[in-house]
Amino acid sequence: GNSVTQMEGPVTLSEEAFLTINCTYTATGYPSLFWYVQYPGEGLQLLLKATKADDKGSNKGFEATYRKETTSFHLEKGSVQVSDSAVYFCALSDDYKLSFGAGTTVTVRA
Amino acid sequence: NAGVMQNPRHLVRRRGQEARLRCSPMKGHSHVYWYRQLPEEGLKFMVYLQKENIIDESGMPKERFSAEFPKEGPSILRIQQVVRGDSAAYFCASSPSRQIAEAFFGQGTRLTVV
Repeated sequence: GNSVTQMEGPVTLSEEAFLTINCTYTATGYPSLFWYVQYPGEGLQLLLKATKADDKGSNKGFEATYRKETTSFHLEKGSVQVSDSAVYFCALSDDYKLSFGAGTTVTVRA
Repeated sequence: NAGVMQNPRHLVRRRGQEARLRCSPMKGHSHVYWYRQLPEEGLKFMVYLQKENIIDESGMPKERFSAEFPKEGPSILRIQQVVRGDSAAYFCASSPSRQIAEAFFGQGTRLTVV
């Protein structure tokens, strides 16, 4: 079946540091890939997505590229801010169903 | 256009009681999905409904859990005779089609069973 494995946290960074969260997947077919973010006390928000191989999703300075050859969708941001502190979830879709990774907690210190 | 509204945001129930979680989809959205987030875990699919129909309930526990999405009103996730293991965050999402990429999530209901 489909599954997503993402880097375990927690991750603690200083402001303006570079952030990478690794995500790899196992799937049949050609799923769409997503990164969701959950800020403290809030629900899930879609951060970015990519629907086919080599697509790059980007939003709020975050980027991720759909790599079919390595079955990966790593999240990156060049310069994090305190406001980026949140839990980040990698996910893939199989038709109407999302499979999520376990989440990575990121804390950015001023 | 208001987002997906879930209520209550927090719900405390004693073991053996019933929990009813509500989800009002975004305007124009007829597809609703429920997910459960257990502590320290990612979200797990529970059920997919489309107005008055259950399309896929493969992620729902076989007993005590039920879901509905009536013609009028919100979608309801009902948990009968709650146990401590039901304590979790329950998220609802809605979309205008079965394309999950178009779905928006609500803020979730955090259920605590004491």
